[in-house]
Amino acid sequence: EAQVTQNPRYLITVTGKKLTVTCSQNMNHEYMSWYRQDPGLGLRQIYYSMNVEVTDKGDVPEGYKVSRKEKRNFPLILESPSPNQTSLYFCASSLGGGGDTQYFGPGTRLTVL
Amino acid sequence: EDQVTQSPEALRLQEGESSSLNCSYTVSGLRGLFWYRQDPGKGPEFLFTLYSAGEEKEKERLKATLTKKESFLHITAPKPEDSATYLCAAPTLNSGGYQKVTFGTGTKLQVIP
Repeated sequence: EAQVTQNPRYLITVTGKKLTVTCSQNMNHEYMSWYRQDPGLGLRQIYYSMNVEVTDKGDVPEGYKVSRKEKRNFPLILESPSPNQTSLYFCASSLGGGGDTQYFGPGTRLTVL
Repeated sequence: EDQVTQSPEALRLQEGESSSLNCSYTVSGLRGLFWYRQDPGKGPEFLFTLYSAGEEKEKERLKATLTKKESFLHITAPKPEDSATYLCAAPTLNSGGYQKVTFGTGTKLQVIP
């Protein structure tokens, strides 16, 4: 089954404790992206990757890091999480950029205390 | 700055009562207009992509249309299972030629039996 998976689905952590949210897709898609979703603000793009070793900032990249060492994986790293990073996070992938349909993962609900 | 604005924020309909959701956009280098459906706690699910003004697409009770400045999602004779948040999004190409996606904040639709 074609899908985007994320882990963990739920995470409660404390300020400053480094964490990684994993994202994996099995569709051989080149383009992957991370979003955060907050009430009243909608989905905002954090980082995206056009292919292996190629990444770029989205609208809200501060406090986040990403890497794309393999085509199927695109982890999101929070090196020193803060309470304002409490949010619902989604990973998405598409065949390419420029108007291709994005397929979303199930989401990771992160709480930073 | 690219903007996607959806209205209304929330819509409550009786079962069978048709209506329309609006998505207005101001983006540079528009590469299409997406509609997604999102159920609570889940990732957005793709519905339609529209590429040019005048284009229409249908799926069951939903029909999406596109003009040069806005898109509409028409819901005909809705059922309770159509209750969800509907998101529109506009992918654009940045200066590097890769996809950046701007989402609206969504319309939360509730269909009452």
